[in-house]
Amino acid sequence: GAGVSQSPSNKVTEKGKDVELRCDPISGHTALYWYRQSLGQGLEFLIYFQGNSAPDKSGLPSDRFSAERTGGSVSTLTIQRTQQEDSAVYLCASSTRQGRDSGANVLTFGAGSRLTVL
Amino acid sequence: DQQVKQNSPSLSVQEGRISILNCDYTNSMFDYFLWYKKYPAEGPTFLISISSIKDKNEDGRFTVFLNKSAKHLSLHIVPSQPGDSAVYFCAASDSGTYKYIFGTGTRLKVLA
Repeated sequence: GAGVSQSPSNKVTEKGKDVELRCDPISGHTALYWYRQSLGQGLEFLIYFQGNSAPDKSGLPSDRFSAERTGGSVSTLTIQRTQQEDSAVYLCASSTRQGRDSGANVLTFGAGSRLTVL
Repeated sequence: DQQVKQNSPSLSVQEGRISILNCDYTNSMFDYFLWYKKYPAEGPTFLISISSIKDKNEDGRFTVFLNKSAKHLSLHIVPSQPGDSAVYFCAASDSGTYKYIFGTGTRLKVLA
């Protein structure tokens, strides 16, 4: 597609349930990022996939969070046993990783998935 | 450990005047910087970038300045327009990883 697509756009769940958030990056983009924005906060890095390399999971806040990227394209962020503090907007971005000054290392974001845990 | 900081949570500017948004970073390995604008209920949209081999980059009304010795960058918007009212984020990465760290954002309000 023309842009980064995220689904669902809104998800309301009960505490303790598992949720899956999907990201469909721009075709051909080799890098994929997940961030989250809690209410009134900045963008918090979660995880970064680059091609076939092992993902950088250093931002995942707990072992309840996991993400995978199948076939180098679509990514799913899974949150198990959701807690109220997981409520946030989860943003996915993709980019083409090229040379440092190519101007191509720009992240294109999706509109986000708003998660509300009751 | 906040590696990228935007110390002004909000800024109000009169239409037509200059808006200056500031960003500080602590990691000397960062050598690539981006600015994004975010409207409510939308994803951030890219504005302008700069790499550490430059100290200035300009695109229309937007100019980014980089002071490597001070680990400081700023975004200038001239002239400011009401449509510029949004939250602005700076982001930094090193060109080895391209793992972007974002600041906490500055909410800009341009008054008509």
